[in-house]
Amino acid sequence: GQQVMQIPQYQHVQEGEDFTTYCNSSTTLSNIQWYKQRPGGHPVFLIQLVKSGEVKKQKRLTFQFGEAKKNSSLHITATQTTDVGTYFCAGPPNAGNMLTFGGGTRLMVKP
Amino acid sequence: DVKVTQSSRYLVKRTGEKVFLECVQDMDHENMFWYRQDPGLGLRLIYFSYDVKMKEKGDIPEGYSVSREKKERFSLILESASTNQTSMYLCASSLSLTPPDTQYFGPGTRLTVL
Repeated sequence: GQQVMQIPQYQHVQEGEDFTTYCNSSTTLSNIQWYKQRPGGHPVFLIQLVKSGEVKKQKRLTFQFGEAKKNSSLHITATQTTDVGTYFCAGPPNAGNMLTFGGGTRLMVKP
Repeated sequence: DVKVTQSSRYLVKRTGEKVFLECVQDMDHENMFWYRQDPGLGLRLIYFSYDVKMKEKGDIPEGYSVSREKKERFSLILESASTNQTSMYLCASSLSLTPPDTQYFGPGTRLTVL
């Protein structure tokens, strides 16, 4: 079945440093969604990318969808303590109707 | 705003007990999902439902069953709880499956089975 892998699993950064998490799927995705889960909270939708090579920005967050629609990345510029949490990517295979979630990247920010 | 609520935030049960986890959404969404979340394993789909009384198995349905008698309510049932079912359980709902739409999650139920 489809597998979605995320790396790294954990990342410690100093406040102000940049951070990137990578998401790779074993199959082509019709779209990619990103979620953030704060400590003690539940996943909250951040963004969805649909087109090959698409790039979207939300303030300090930049999301990319690969040309082959099998990978994606989330980059945070100048991290803040409010960025702490676990970031999940999720995507359905082409013609599929279920989201498969990656294992998540847990971001910790040292003030 | 979509609101998804779950009946309990924390639950402690004994091995062999029957456990009911309830989820209610207020946005008239067709689709509802139950996941379990374990460290390092991400979110794994247990069951989903695309309409009242309709259900489909997810990736890890063994040991679980579900019930959807009303559109807004989706229940997860552990017929005979076991210690390996200790986990965080997350319910979610979405408007569309084709293509898969944003999923809105409830706050989660942390279940401990002793």
